[in-house]
Amino acid sequence: SQQGEEDPQALSIQEGENATMNCSYKTSINNLQWYRQNSGRGLVHLILIRSNEREKHSGRLRVTLDTSKKSSSLLITASRAADTASYFCATDGTSGSRLTFGEGTQLTVNP
Amino acid sequence: DVKVTQSSRYLVKRTGEKVFLECVQDMDHENMFWYRQDPGLGLRLIYFSYDVKMKEKGDIPEGYSVSREKKERFSLILESASTNQTSMYLCASSSPGQGREETQYFGPGTRLLVL
Repeated sequence: SQQGEEDPQALSIQEGENATMNCSYKTSINNLQWYRQNSGRGLVHLILIRSNEREKHSGRLRVTLDTSKKSSSLLITASRAADTASYFCATDGTSGSRLTFGEGTQLTVNP
Repeated sequence: DVKVTQSSRYLVKRTGEKVFLECVQDMDHENMFWYRQDPGLGLRLIYFSYDVKMKEKGDIPEGYSVSREKKERFSLILESASTNQTSMYLCASSSPGQGREETQYFGPGTRLLVL
């Protein structure tokens, strides 16, 4: 089963609104990462949050991590049409370099 | 900037053909990965490699093999392509960091159609 599972599967909002995506995972982690994928392209790293951090910001992105609930959220503020993409969370577990990705949230930002 | 390139963006092959997907990275990364991405299933790890001539099975290695003869190049091989291997194939690389915070850098993907 997937280590990371995103919720919702799809999200459609208007430009200027905030978008929130959630990720749940099952086992202990060292860190959790969020990636973005434009249609038909590879994934691009957005932000990493360590297991001892609770919140992190990068530009219009805000990530939270609750290790007691094994969940994370990605907030994109003041969304733009160019934010339209799929967003994936990825967890690393506590051994090795491999990441486990969720199925992603498809975000559509309407102009 | 890290660059990961994949030999083809689109590929059409026939059932039973041997298929080579090539991936090259230019940042001297130790780790390289091959994933396939299918609707509703997300990214699934096929094989990965921590060093030259080393390989580890991922979650779905059946029907695939890999080769890493040089640090910068990681090849995925479909020995006898089947229609259920029609998918988007993504290559990634990473380098061990402090605290094992390893960001993966992805190539643009190869969309493979097996007829």
